[in-house]
Amino acid sequence: NAGVTQTPKFQVLKTGQSMTLQCAQDMNHNSMYWYRQDPGMGLRLIYYSASEGTTDKGEVPNGYNVSRLNKREFSLRLESAAPSQTSVYFCASSEGQSYGYTFGSGTRLTVV
Amino acid sequence: EDQVTQSPEALRLQEGESSSLNCSYTVSGLRGLFWYRQDPGKGPEFLFTLYSAGEEKEKERLKATLTKKESFLHITAPKPEDSATYLCAVRGFSGSARQLTFGSGTQLTVLP
Repeated sequence: NAGVTQTPKFQVLKTGQSMTLQCAQDMNHNSMYWYRQDPGMGLRLIYYSASEGTTDKGEVPNGYNVSRLNKREFSLRLESAAPSQTSVYFCASSEGQSYGYTFGSGTRLTVV
Repeated sequence: EDQVTQSPEALRLQEGESSSLNCSYTVSGLRGLFWYRQDPGKGPEFLFTLYSAGEEKEKERLKATLTKKESFLHITAPKPEDSATYLCAVRGFSGSARQLTFGSGTQLTVLP
């Protein structure tokens, strides 16, 4: 089925460990996004990529890095995980400014 | 800074009992207001985009309306399968043209 695929679905990390969350879309969308969702705080934008080759910071970028590998793939890296990064992470893509996002099913990350 | 406030935080309805969810927003010029549905353990699913005051969109038992300060999601004769968290988001003229600001959501439970 067409859409946004995220891997892994679940992950437990120890404080200080690193990991990369993978995201791929097959809808030929130009824009891709990484959000985190925490109880009572809604979805907050971490980083986004308006088009292949460009990335920009969102509302909460500290502690994260991203790579837009090609038009399909947009990865999120945690270099040194902290307990405050325990969250559910969603990747999304969109065709343009006027369109809604298509979200992946999320990665539930726990940092202990 | 764009802001979105959704109310109530949680709503329990009997099957067939119509009601409305509220989304109040503050933006420096509205590019679009978006409604999403999120089921437990899944990513948000796009429902509607509204662009100007007075605009209305419908999908099955859902109807979204927009004024200059708020949006309502009306649910007519809901069924248990309408149970989900409903998210509202806005895109304003400040900041990135592609960034959405989300509310914390309304958790709707429809009892049979």
